[in-house]
Amino acid sequence: NAGVTQTPKFQVLKTGQSMTLQCAQDMNHEYMSWYRQDPGMGLRLIHYSVGAGITDQGEVPNGYNVSRSTTEDFPLRLLSAAPSQTSVYFCASSYSGTVSLLGYTFGSGTRLTVV
Amino acid sequence: KNEVEQSPQNLTAQEGEFITINCSYSVGISALHWLQQHPGGGIVSLFMLSSGKKKHGRLIATINIQEKHSSLHITASHPRDSAVYICAVRGYDSNYQLIWGAGTKLIIKP
Repeated sequence: NAGVTQTPKFQVLKTGQSMTLQCAQDMNHEYMSWYRQDPGMGLRLIHYSVGAGITDQGEVPNGYNVSRSTTEDFPLRLLSAAPSQTSVYFCASSYSGTVSLLGYTFGSGTRLTVV
Repeated sequence: KNEVEQSPQNLTAQEGEFITINCSYSVGISALHWLQQHPGGGIVSLFMLSSGKKKHGRLIATINIQEKHSSLHITASHPRDSAVYICAVRGYDSNYQLIWGAGTKLIIKP
């Protein structure tokens, strides 16, 4: 019973590099989302998906792409990393329509540093 | 000014003390959530409130809709309560988007 699995846990990138943060869940949740967490600020929604093949932008989508080809996986792609993308990234999932956070399961986070 | 403000930002207390963490918001909401983020990074939902008070073990959450304010209390605090406590609200017009507080870092010393 893995829940939400995020990889990698830590990553250092050079400016301009691209990479993909992986997120997988085994709970058959329709809803998946990506947040970033910066010091002194609340979590900010980057992108979310309400089901396979459906994605939408959140509050801070610029510089990030997502896709949802399967129910289980929701990768986040950084197209050309910038120092402003240094942050901790969290993936979360829940049953569709369960906007209540009580139904959310969070991954353990990916700490990304862009130099 | 952030729409969700938490206070204090940091709180250090001795084991056994009664802890209060505050959350004030400036928008109309349909629900308010309290979450706990462990030192390892994992985030766990504690409460969802739309009115009144909820209690789970040593944790109590209250909300005053008129004053746009919520508090999270911990009774008989223990070092294992050390974590970041986050308040998040869902506005009337939001769908999946939530407005998050910056969190309160709590350290309980033995």
